[in-house]
Amino acid sequence: QKEVEQNSGPLSVPEGAIASLNCTYSDRGSQSFFWYRQYSGKSPELIMFIYSNGDKEDGRFTAQLNKASQYVSLLIRDSQPSDSATYLCAASFNFGNEKLTFGTGTRLTIIP
Amino acid sequence: EAQVTQNPRYLITVTGKKLTVTCSQNMNHEYMSWYRQDPGLGLRQIYYSMNVEVTDKGDVPEGYKVSRKEKRNFPLILESPSPNQTSLYFCASSYRDNEQFFGPGTRLTVL
Repeated sequence: QKEVEQNSGPLSVPEGAIASLNCTYSDRGSQSFFWYRQYSGKSPELIMFIYSNGDKEDGRFTAQLNKASQYVSLLIRDSQPSDSATYLCAASFNFGNEKLTFGTGTRLTIIP
Repeated sequence: EAQVTQNPRYLITVTGKKLTVTCSQNMNHEYMSWYRQDPGLGLRQIYYSMNVEVTDKGDVPEGYKVSRKEKRNFPLILESPSPNQTSLYFCASSYRDNEQFFGPGTRLTVL
């Protein structure tokens, strides 16, 4: 059974600080990884995806992948109250995204 | 406007009464999926489809059926709903290797 694990939180971070969200996965064959944000009562929306070891940056967001440790993280710099949401980590066995395994999500609260 | 639509958005039904949740996308996406979301369990994939007439089981397919007769539509069918299928359901679509777009969700309660 392929598993993706996240700390459910809640994680509270002061406004302007760096929020760090972590995710581990059990299947060494997983090839691609996704971070989704889900506001309460809304549907998930993609923030970033990463395929290769190392860092990938997009604006205030940085995704980090370490395949040897089976670890994916998302850093949010200069956290804003609008970043308060649940963040879902997902893994795919191939480079497509037709079959995704999601973690249970980490609830993030940015404190003004 | 590019979007994934689901109907109905809310449904309360009784055990054993067959129901269909519709999903439609207007982006000409090949891939479509159904997920259910439950507290503490996260999003779990029910079924997915890589193109017309091509469907496959996700992680929790028991008690569900799907069909993909047209590219834009991917209905989820519960032949005999049970209370353990009470959940929030999301449909999603994408091009291969691209972002999955999620529909607004259907909250189903089976009494």
